[in-house]
Amino acid sequence: GNSVTQMEGPVTLSEEAFLTINCTYTATGYPSLFWYVQYPGEGLQLLLKATKADDKGSNKGFEATYRKETTSFHLEKGSVQVSDSAVYFCALREGGKLIFGQGTELSVKP
Amino acid sequence: DTGVSQDPRHKITKRGQNVTFRCDPISEHNRLYWYRQTLGQGPEFLTYFQNEAQLEKSRLLSDRFSAERPKGSFSTLEIQRTEQGDSAMYLCASSLAGPSGSYEQYFGPGTRLTVT
Repeated sequence: GNSVTQMEGPVTLSEEAFLTINCTYTATGYPSLFWYVQYPGEGLQLLLKATKADDKGSNKGFEATYRKETTSFHLEKGSVQVSDSAVYFCALREGGKLIFGQGTELSVKP
Repeated sequence: DTGVSQDPRHKITKRGQNVTFRCDPISEHNRLYWYRQTLGQGPEFLTYFQNEAQLEKSRLLSDRFSAERPKGSFSTLEIQRTEQGDSAMYLCASSLAGPSGSYEQYFGPGTRLTVT
């Protein structure tokens, strides 16, 4: 079946560092791909999405490009802030439901 | 738009008891989803509804679990004869499906269940 694999955390960075969180997927066809973020004590929030190959999703300085050749959707940000500390989940849509990766915890130190 | 709400936010119960959770979706959304999330893992799909119809159930959803959405608005998730392995965060999400819908899922804050 379809699945999503994320790089293991926790990831610890200094403020203003470059961020990459790797996400690869296994799927039949070309599903829509998503990044969700869960800030401490809060619910899951949609961060960005891409619905077809070569699409780039972007929001709040974060970007991810749908790469069908490498079945990847890596999350990047050029300069992280302390407020970006959260757990990030990569997901794909299979029919009506979402299939999530295990999450990657990001901690940004001042 | 008040977002997806869930009640209660926390529930502690003894093994063997029944529990029921409620989810109120975003008002114009026709789809409602239930997921379960354990510590350190991503959410796992349980079931979803379009209006009143339950369109898909995961094989994770044992016979002890039942979900309803009787009027196509709020939904309830009941767990009978709870077990310690049921301890988790139960998440509800909603979306708007159809020609003018984005199908994006918006999540509620979750109900944390602890079975002692």
